[in-house]
Amino acid sequence: AQKITQTQPGMFVQEKEAVTLDCTYDTSDQSYGLFWYKQPSSGEMIFLIYQGSYDEQNATEGRYSLNFQKARKSANLVISASQLGDSAMYFCAMREGGAGGFKTIFGAGTRLFVKA
Amino acid sequence: EAGVAQSPRYKIIEKRQSVAFWCNPISGHATLYWYQQILGQGPKLLIQFQNNGVVDDSQLPKDRFSAERLKGVDSTLKIQPAKLEDSAVYLCASSLDRFSYGYTFGSGTRLTVV
Repeated sequence: AQKITQTQPGMFVQEKEAVTLDCTYDTSDQSYGLFWYKQPSSGEMIFLIYQGSYDEQNATEGRYSLNFQKARKSANLVISASQLGDSAMYFCAMREGGAGGFKTIFGAGTRLFVKA
Repeated sequence: EAGVAQSPRYKIIEKRQSVAFWCNPISGHATLYWYQQILGQGPKLLIQFQNNGVVDDSQLPKDRFSAERLKGVDSTLKIQPAKLEDSAVYLCASSLDRFSYGYTFGSGTRLTVV
């Protein structure tokens, strides 16, 4: 069963507007972490934001915020004031693990297109 | 600080040939990961090293894929023999240790098997 689900293969947003990228996850662990990465056409994965399962406040990093709803098992990424440079693939990821260390699994991604 | 270095950037080979990818992690990072990213999918972990030991290789197709991290620094991922379905981007990442959440990824090697 998929552990990370990103239901939006592609999204369009007008420059300067906000956009929400959806992510739901499935885990039986009590302690886990959720991430969002950006992958531009150059190919490298760029870390954007992290939310721990015990964090009570939603994580924010500049124009990025993570809307964490634990009961619904969702971790949506909100990008405010979109810029043309935000056009890229966005991946939601979850870290699970134990004594041996953590394993991070990724969703299938959402391609964001920012229109001028 | 220098990022994670990978080479080559692109590689095209015929099926049944062999290929090797190289990764140099960030200095001081004990944990190194190889991910396979097939077009249209998210990255999938192939193997995770802690220093020069393997932590997790449960998703590595061991009949054709091998990886090593001699001396706990650079790593090499090899495919022999390659199949068409191995066409993908191979991403290397490193982190300070296996409990860190801050992964740094390289730019990847795009492999095309024809």
